[in-house]
Amino acid sequence: DAKTTQPNSMESNEEEPVHLPCNHSTISGTDYIHWYRQLPSQGPEYVIHGLTSNVNNRMASLAIAEDRKSSTLILHRATLRDAAVYYCILRDVRGSNYKLTFGKGTLLTVNP
Amino acid sequence: EAQVTQNPRYLITVTGKKLTVTCSQNMNHEYMSWYRQDPGLGLRQIYYSMNVEVTDKGDVPEGYKVSRKEKRNFPLILESPSPNQTSLYFCASSKGTGYPGELFFGEGSRLTVL
Repeated sequence: DAKTTQPNSMESNEEEPVHLPCNHSTISGTDYIHWYRQLPSQGPEYVIHGLTSNVNNRMASLAIAEDRKSSTLILHRATLRDAAVYYCILRDVRGSNYKLTFGKGTLLTVNP
Repeated sequence: EAQVTQNPRYLITVTGKKLTVTCSQNMNHEYMSWYRQDPGLGLRQIYYSMNVEVTDKGDVPEGYKVSRKEKRNFPLILESPSPNQTSLYFCASSKGTGYPGELFFGEGSRLTVL
């Protein structure tokens, strides 16, 4: 599986935007970029995914670099409920096993 | 509401006493999978199933069994649990292989083996 690199932790203030970076320099052409988050004592929760173009949904935006070697998850207005571990994961859809390889992720702290 | 339901959510058992963790999804998903989460090791895949009667090993299958007799259910069986299987377990489901979108996770089952 192609590897991703994320900062161990980040901090933000409530109602401010948050930009969570992810590097994936060995990404292949068939890898989708997925973001999940895990709140304490809960299962991972899907946030967003993309292939080449920037993506928006009700939870967040995903900005993908033109060379696809990095991406940024954008939370437009952080709330206390957004405090979680955020995982950036590459997934090759050609495989028969929909396996997500979770790294250590970024622990996001949101200050009131 | 679309969901993946696991039971039990919490269980304390003793070494060697067979147990089953159930997983059920209501989204008609073909694909289902089990993960375990341990401190410092992250989430690791145990088994997966691409459809009814089709199962295969993930990264850490030793000590576990699964079955997929119905599309909606994917139970995880520990025939003879050992303390190293103390962990937090997650079941997940998705549309069929080739689908690039989201994987839905259950809320987790915390298992302690004494």
